[in-house]
Amino acid sequence: SAVISQKPSRDICQRGTSLTIQCQVDSQVTMMFWYRQQPGQSLTLIATANQGSEATYESGFVIDKFPISRPNLTFSTLTVSNMSPEDSSIYLCSVERTENTEAFFGQGTRLTVV
Amino acid sequence: AQTVTQSQPEMSVQEAETVTLSCTYDTSESNYYLFWYKQPPSRQMILVIRQEAYKQQNATENRFSVNFQKAAKSFSLKISDSQLGDTAMYFCAFRKGDMRFGAGTRLTVKP
Repeated sequence: SAVISQKPSRDICQRGTSLTIQCQVDSQVTMMFWYRQQPGQSLTLIATANQGSEATYESGFVIDKFPISRPNLTFSTLTVSNMSPEDSSIYLCSVERTENTEAFFGQGTRLTVV
Repeated sequence: AQTVTQSQPEMSVQEAETVTLSCTYDTSESNYYLFWYKQPPSRQMILVIRQEAYKQQNATENRFSVNFQKAAKSFSLKISDSQLGDTAMYFCAFRKGDMRFGAGTRLTVKP
């Protein structure tokens, strides 16, 4: 397994501002992922955070809105930029140790935009 | 693209009884992984059980077992001796490269 620390656990933000979410893993991992979970819904992959290169974004998500950093093999950040109430969601960081096996998740960040 | 379908938005079960959650998926791949995750109100996604598609034997983890029917592309989760702590959202997931999640089933265990 993996121990994943995600911060902050929750935040209430003003529209138009930005929030950066941090994800720290207890050991080096190859793959890190960011998901969004809108209220009452399933998880949607935002992007794959690649160490040493730009993140790979899924359809419907763009770097200007969700910039991601991956400075090393144990840490990543996701920024939600120029927030609107529609960005109110749970954001989850996920890692996997071996390609194509189970993913382990942080405890999530509950974001509310007012 | 792979899709995962959970046709039961909500289910309930009496404590100590058995419940089965359904999941079907669509793929043209032959080798892949399937998972069930549990998400209690704490929001933490917890891996319940995993199944490799190349294994015919159904995975079992204590009170949790799966019925994996590869030809039918079906992957149901059986929870035996249900406990109050099993109350949560349950997500079925498919992995071949990216992980794709179903819409989830909200399970309530009643005392």
